[in-house]
Amino acid sequence: EDQVTQSPEALRLQEGESSSLNCSYTVSGLRGLFWYRQDPGKGPEFLFTLYSAGEEKEKERLKATLTKKESFLHITAPKPEDSATYLCAVSSMIKAAGNKLTFGGGTRVLVKP
Amino acid sequence: GAVVSQHPSRVICKSGTSVKIECRSLDFQATTMFWYRQFPKQSLMLMATSNEGSKATYEQGVEKDKFLINHASLTLSTLTVTSAHPEDSSFYICSAKGLGLAYEQYFGPGTRLTVT
Repeated sequence: EDQVTQSPEALRLQEGESSSLNCSYTVSGLRGLFWYRQDPGKGPEFLFTLYSAGEEKEKERLKATLTKKESFLHITAPKPEDSATYLCAVSSMIKAAGNKLTFGGGTRVLVKP
Repeated sequence: GAVVSQHPSRVICKSGTSVKIECRSLDFQATTMFWYRQFPKQSLMLMATSNEGSKATYEQGVEKDKFLINHASLTLSTLTVTSAHPEDSSFYICSAKGLGLAYEQYFGPGTRLTVT
């Protein structure tokens, strides 16, 4: 069974204080690893897809990296508007899994000015 | 691009009644749509997967007769909560995956259901 574990559960940062979020996963053949951002009371917003170990993607202050066992989301010099819950999910290549995503529990990030 | 809408955003209904939630892909054709449920401060729980023109596949423990899903076209899926009870109160979110959009899912803004 596919499993995704995110740490820490919550993260408090001062504005400008860079940090990293961890997503550890086990999956039967990784089709893709996905990062989403979710604001309170809203649906998740797509950020990145990573397909293979060594791949990196960047968007503004966010950078996602991938190894065979985990992914990191690095937040560089965060601003208060980066406060959100960040969700990691994986999709398996196994046909029976369809296109389902398995989500981690999320990391709640609070950036204080 | 890849915008998904949901309607209504909030709904309050009385116990025993049914409520329908619509999920639309606005700028792409969604071959597969997903319905999730989210409890406060928890992650998303997949309820069912629907492919256009075929019956939905429900996750273990989800009552298919209670949560009716219809994916009638490539841009519309509906979730009907039948004979709603207070324990059905939750945040329901749909997502869609389309042709040519790789494997990521795009999510709607969610629907807050309150059953009184």
